[in-house]
Amino acid sequence: GNSVTQMEGPVTLSEEAFLTINCTYTATGYPSLFWYVQYPGEGLQLLLKATKADDKGSNKGFEATYRKETTSFHLEKGSVQVSDSAVYFCALSGGANSKLTFGKGITLSVRP
Amino acid sequence: DSGVTQTPKHLITATGQRVTLRCSPRSGDLSVYWYQQSLDQGLQFLIQYYNGEERAKGNILERFSAQQFPDLHSELNLSSLELGDSALYFCASSVSGGGYTGELFFGEGSRLTVL
Repeated sequence: GNSVTQMEGPVTLSEEAFLTINCTYTATGYPSLFWYVQYPGEGLQLLLKATKADDKGSNKGFEATYRKETTSFHLEKGSVQVSDSAVYFCALSGGANSKLTFGKGITLSVRP
Repeated sequence: DSGVTQTPKHLITATGQRVTLRCSPRSGDLSVYWYQQSLDQGLQFLIQYYNGEERAKGNILERFSAQQFPDLHSELNLSSLELGDSALYFCASSVSGGGYTGELFFGEGSRLTVL
């Protein structure tokens, strides 16, 4: 079945540091890939997505590129802010009516 | 504000008891999903309903059940509660089946503590 593997956390960075959060997946066919973010005390919200190979999703300074050859969808940001402190989930969907499969999530803390 | 409403926000109960969690989806959304979030298991998909009918089932225990009503709100019933059922339960909604768009709208969750 489908699965998503995220790097172990938590991750602590200083403000303005470069961020990379690794995500790899296992799926049959051509899944769509997503990053969700959960701010403290809130539900998850969609951060960005990519629906086919080589697509780049981007939002709020975050980027992720759908790499089919390495089955990866790593999240990057050039300069993190304290307000980026949250839990980040990588997810995939296997088809038009397919449920989302989430990774375990990783907690990011950004220090001033 | 995602537009998805969950009640109650917090619930404390004892082992062996039964609770009901309620979810009102965003206006116009036909699909409702239930997820369980715990520290050791991460975010686990429980069940999905689409326009009143069960669409997909995940790691939902037999002690748990759900339904979606004609007005599209949904309830998750948890019975014979165990300590391990303590978790944050999220409801999410989407216009259709989720799928390629992947855009689920999550509520703020119901935190269940079983003592």
